[in-house]
Amino acid sequence: SQQGEEDPQALSIQEGENATMNCSYKTSINNLQWYRQNSGRGLVHLILIRSNEREKHSGRLRVTLDTSKKSSSLLITASRAADTASYFCATSDFGNEKLSFGTGTRLTIIP
Amino acid sequence: NAGVMQNPRHLVRRRGQEARLRCSPMKGHSHVYWYRQLPEEGLKFMVYLQKENIIDESGMPKERFSAEFPKEGPSILRIQQVVRGDSAAYFCASSREMRDSPLHFGNGTRLTVT
Repeated sequence: SQQGEEDPQALSIQEGENATMNCSYKTSINNLQWYRQNSGRGLVHLILIRSNEREKHSGRLRVTLDTSKKSSSLLITASRAADTASYFCATSDFGNEKLSFGTGTRLTIIP
Repeated sequence: NAGVMQNPRHLVRRRGQEARLRCSPMKGHSHVYWYRQLPEEGLKFMVYLQKENIIDESGMPKERFSAEFPKEGPSILRIQQVVRGDSAAYFCASSREMRDSPLHFGNGTRLTVT
């Protein structure tokens, strides 16, 4: 069964604007990861945040984690056309090596 | 350093035939995962393997599907007697033997059952 659920399902913004995507999950987690998928390709790992962390940055990416609300957000600042892709959150439970993926947010950046 | 290699990229099978999907993990990676993706959907976990061992196959259908990761050679996902509902993209991912190690994905095999 799906662990995470992204919101919104689809998002279109103008180039240069910031894009925010949210992820909610159901059970206690060890870590939460965000991945990106371009059409017809495999997923690419973007960033990992552990359950004892609240915020993490990587370049134009900012991820937050609120374990009390079982939610995470991914912020992409100063978006570019090349950011157009689907973005997935994935969670790892304690004692469980497998990653469970959400349903994804399809992001379109309008040049 | 080559990434995760999957072949074939596209596979067409008639109903009742067998499909064999191959995955070579990244160098130094001993964990392999198989996921299935339907159009416009997320990835559904199928199976997690380490060399010569199936660790978690909770996402695998009980019949017709099997997976292996031999000591030598690629991991194989095998689907016997394919049906139209098996049409999907199948992704393989690998990781190091480390806690919190991210997954590295191949570009998938798109299986079409006619």
